[in-house]
Amino acid sequence: KNEVEQSPQNLTAQEGEFITINCSYSVGISALHWLQQHPGGGIVSLFMLSSGKKKHGRLIATINIQEKHSSLHITASHPRDSAVYICAVPLSNFGNEKLTFGTGTRLTIIP
Amino acid sequence: DSGVTQTPKHLITATGQRVTLRCSPRSGDLSVYWYQQSLDQGLQFLIQYYNGEERAKGNILERFSAQQFPDLHSELNLSSLELGDSALYFCASSGGFQSPLHFGNGTRLTVT
Repeated sequence: KNEVEQSPQNLTAQEGEFITINCSYSVGISALHWLQQHPGGGIVSLFMLSSGKKKHGRLIATINIQEKHSSLHITASHPRDSAVYICAVPLSNFGNEKLTFGTGTRLTIIP
Repeated sequence: DSGVTQTPKHLITATGQRVTLRCSPRSGDLSVYWYQQSLDQGLQFLIQYYNGEERAKGNILERFSAQQFPDLHSELNLSSLELGDSALYFCASSGGFQSPLHFGNGTRLTVT
């Protein structure tokens, strides 16, 4: 069983739609990461959070430590949001060490 | 631009060969992390260095080794290459163990 499970695996939506990507994990963690991987392959760290909610522009990440669940929301989605979104958790007491990754959610936004 | 530089961008080599991947971390970052992304295994943590010392080890094969130099750049050495080693290799750096990661653009290794 993977320590990190993401859903859905693939998501296609129309421009402007509200997007939700889910991540569940099975281990106790000190932090959770949301990453974005563009079609060209580059990876960008979107959020690192250990509780509550963080917002950056149209992106919002939430985490529920008790339920071991996190969500990534995108408001007013745009074709440039098309990418693979990856959730990762540390197998360590430190937030960015020994990360184990979900398999990713491939998001396609249609104009 | 993340500030993390990886070279080369692409590498094509034959089975049994040895290659070296290079990573220069963001200015001031002491931690360097190496990850492998393959089609069948997804992203996997390989190894972490902090200020020249090995800090944490993940799913790194014995044929692979890494080091971090006094100027903080790091190298990942892959030897006795097999077809299954074909993958994207990413380096990331951070300013601390609880800080966000900054990723390089990766090195795409193809073993033929």
